[in-house]
Amino acid sequence: SQQGEEDPQALSIQEGENATMNCSYKTSINNLQWYRQNSGRGLVHLILIRSNEREKHSGRLRVTLDTSKKSSSLLITASRAADTASYFCATDDENNFNKFYFGSGTKLNVKP
Amino acid sequence: AAGVIQSPRHLIKEKRETATLKCYPIPRHDTVYWYQQGPGQDPQFLISFYEKMQSDKGSIPDRFSAQQFSDYHSELNMSSLELGDSALYFCASSSGQGGFDEKLFFGSGTQLSVL
Repeated sequence: SQQGEEDPQALSIQEGENATMNCSYKTSINNLQWYRQNSGRGLVHLILIRSNEREKHSGRLRVTLDTSKKSSSLLITASRAADTASYFCATDDENNFNKFYFGSGTKLNVKP
Repeated sequence: AAGVIQSPRHLIKEKRETATLKCYPIPRHDTVYWYQQGPGQDPQFLISFYEKMQSDKGSIPDRFSAQQFSDYHSELNMSSLELGDSALYFCASSSGQGGFDEKLFFGSGTQLSVL
């Protein structure tokens, strides 16, 4: 990966359960973003957290950021089968607003 | 709402041929990014443009070139294609305001297969 690693690489849960994905990155950042990708499709922006924020919520999504550990987590609560997709974190470069790096992604499978 | 448009959706080429991928950003977005995603891989940053000038370069091979035109659309030109170039190529655009809240909006991608 150009920037960081995500774990787990794959996650399989039952509908209604919570899913937690983690992301680590390497450089200093302005923000960290999470994207979702359905198989073979484009990435869709989910949520953005700034480097000076520690936690952010959006609907069933909760993101945390620990800049001291250079890590973030995405929690999807009350998962649905439609949440089945790959999830990527992306970071910018603190010194360059026009460069975004993606982590290696977590493939989430939510079983109905 | 208008999204990022990429063409073609699928492209099949032979080794050593050339390919041109096109990207039309969201209206009023002046920043375009190109990413390459191999099967099961994360998107790899290739190159970006801001206001028709190259703003940053990632892992783009020398055989590839790109540019952004006066209407802000961008083209990725790929020459001497190799089997390893087979991948999904994404274009993304942003408003280019920079700073803390820059988000990328992705097209559906061009699936390039090199035979």
